[in-house]
Order: sequence, then C-alpha cells, then structure tokens
Amino acid sequence: NAGVMQNPRHLVRRRGQEARLRCSPMKGHSHVYWYRQLPEEGLKFMVYLQKENIIDESGMPKERFSAEFPKEGPSILRIQQVVRGDSAAYFCASSPTGRGDTQYFGPGTRLTVL
Amino acid sequence: GESVGLHLPTLSVQEGDNSIINCAYSNSASDYFIWYKQESGKGPQFIIDIRSNMDKRQGQRVTVLLNKTVKHLSLQIAATQPGDSAVYFCAPVGQNTGNQFYFGTGTSLTVIP
Repeated sequence: NAGVMQNPRHLVRRRGQEARLRCSPMKGHSHVYWYRQLPEEGLKFMVYLQKENIIDESGMPKERFSAEFPKEGPSILRIQQVVRGDSAAYFCASSPTGRGDTQYFGPGTRLTVL
Repeated sequence: GESVGLHLPTLSVQEGDNSIINCAYSNSASDYFIWYKQESGKGPQFIIDIRSNMDKRQGQRVTVLLNKTVKHLSLQIAATQPGDSAVYFCAPVGQNTGNQFYFGTGTSLTVIP
C-alpha cells in the first residue's frame, strides 16, 4: 500500500542546468498536483494534471517550467536553466478524483541550485 | 476567490497538555476542510477532515471543530506528545478554490518535554 513516491529526494544542480523531478501517485490515483515550498513558507500550487492532460497550470511560472503526466510512468516536473531562486522543496500530491478531493502528499524533492 | 487558512505562527505546549491550533478562513463558500501535519524535512501528512455539514469530528487524539458563522476551525490534540511537534496547516476547499489547495504558513507546534 505504497503512498506517493518522489525521486530523487535531494537534487543538486548548478545554475543553467536542468532539473527533472519525478512523482508516482498512489495506486488508483489518476490526479497529480505539484506544489513548491520555499523555506519558512507554506506550499504554493503549481500545476494539476491528469493522465496525459494538464488541467490547471495557473501556478506555474511561464518560462523554464513544464510538467507532464504520461499514460505510462510517473509525472515529471521539469525545470530548465535553473537559477538560485528555484531552490526549494517540491512536493507532489495525488488524489483518486479531482476537484475538492483529499490530496495525499509525497516526501518531496529538495532542489538546491549552486 | 481563493480561501486561505490563516494561522498564528507558533505554539508551544508542555508534553501531556492539550493543544489547540486555530485556523480562520475567508471564503464562506468553503465547504470542506482538511488538516495536514508537516514534520521537518517531510511532506504534509493528512490528519483529519471535516465537511461543512458538521461542526465537530473526532479522530484518534484529535478533534476538529468548525464554526461556519465566524469562519473558524480548530484542531485539538489531546495529551500532546513530542512526536506531535510539526507545522500544522488547514486547507479550506470549496467550489471556487479550484483544483489546488491554498495553504497559509501554518502553525509551528513545539512540544516541551
């Protein structure tokens, strides 16, 4: 009965490199959400996906950030040309249905940009 | 518009005492409320939820109270233990909060042994 899985747990990148964060939702969940948490702050919504579809990306920066949730495999949050300000914890959550349903969170990926 | 759970930032309690963590929300259209606990270095963990047709719900050592009139809810933890030290968030959900949950900065609970 595995929960939401994220990898890697820690990721270090140099400025200008690409970061790829992976999220496998709980079994039976087809809805995935990505959040970002800066130090001493709450979680900020980034994007909501269902299989093969982006439903709501209103919280995602317009440049350098993208997300996908393919038919097979985990959801991927991709950050191109990382900058120091991208250093944060990135959490993925999943739910069995969409709007308003309880979201279950993974352990997060802590991205550090040098 | 969005409905953000607003908390006092910190709370310290003695081990064994009861803790009360408060959350105020702004949107009267919120009809479902979820409490999460986030320990240092970990992801938020679901604790308990309550729907707007209820004013109280109990779990194991936790009770959530909802007062829709003043748009306020509280999480009560009985016999607080060191393992309860964490940041606690409430997430109000409603028709117009969209697909995401809006979290405030939460309340950081410190249990003093």
